[in-house]
Amino acid sequence: QQQVKQSPQSLIVQKGGISIINCAYENTAFDYFPWYQQFPGKGPALLIAIRPDVSEKKEGRFTISFNKSAKQFSLHIMDSQPGDSATYFCAANPGYSSASKIIFGSGTRLSIRP
Amino acid sequence: EPEVTQTPSHQVTQMGQEVILRCVPISNHLYFYWYRQILGQKVEFLVSFYNNEISEKSEIFDDQFSVERPDGSNFTLKIRSTKLEDSAMYFCASRETGGRGNNYGYTFGSGTRLTVV
Repeated sequence: QQQVKQSPQSLIVQKGGISIINCAYENTAFDYFPWYQQFPGKGPALLIAIRPDVSEKKEGRFTISFNKSAKQFSLHIMDSQPGDSATYFCAANPGYSSASKIIFGSGTRLSIRP
Repeated sequence: EPEVTQTPSHQVTQMGQEVILRCVPISNHLYFYWYRQILGQKVEFLVSFYNNEISEKSEIFDDQFSVERPDGSNFTLKIRSTKLEDSAMYFCASRETGGRGNNYGYTFGSGTRLTVV
């Protein structure tokens, strides 16, 4: 119930292509869904986030698609660039937690080939 | 841009020894967190801290772990008697507000790599 399932584990995309990472959850109490980007030797950095009352959020080349009925959400990176090569984590906030902990997915290692 | 600073960046310790990991959160932030990431695995919540007390802790955060904000700026994680399985990256994070506020954005530090031998 407290898990966020993420796929694929790793992804290789050609430069200019679209990178798609998928996540699924079970707990309908989750009320906030961020995506984090992590470069080697660094901590996770917030990339983009969405609430379940909208179906899509776009910021530059990054788009979150959210399907509340299916309890799934995905990150799309358009025109993928070598600088996008990193590990991406989807996450969710359980809602009930007043301290707002974040539950992370297992991560996707994205490599963009030049 | 304000940063969360963690020290040391890498610590090697012998099994059974005590370690203290240090963090300086962003100055106007009120909520503080520790997460850990075992190599190649996901980031796991350990503990949250607000108003000088623990708000929430995970099942990982057992009696061997403690947190403290000794001087109003530092936020520390102590592991009393380290085990091999404590080897991981430990991330400190802070945020300005808690609860269901508009800003859920955490700021993470760069982490401390703890190696227990």
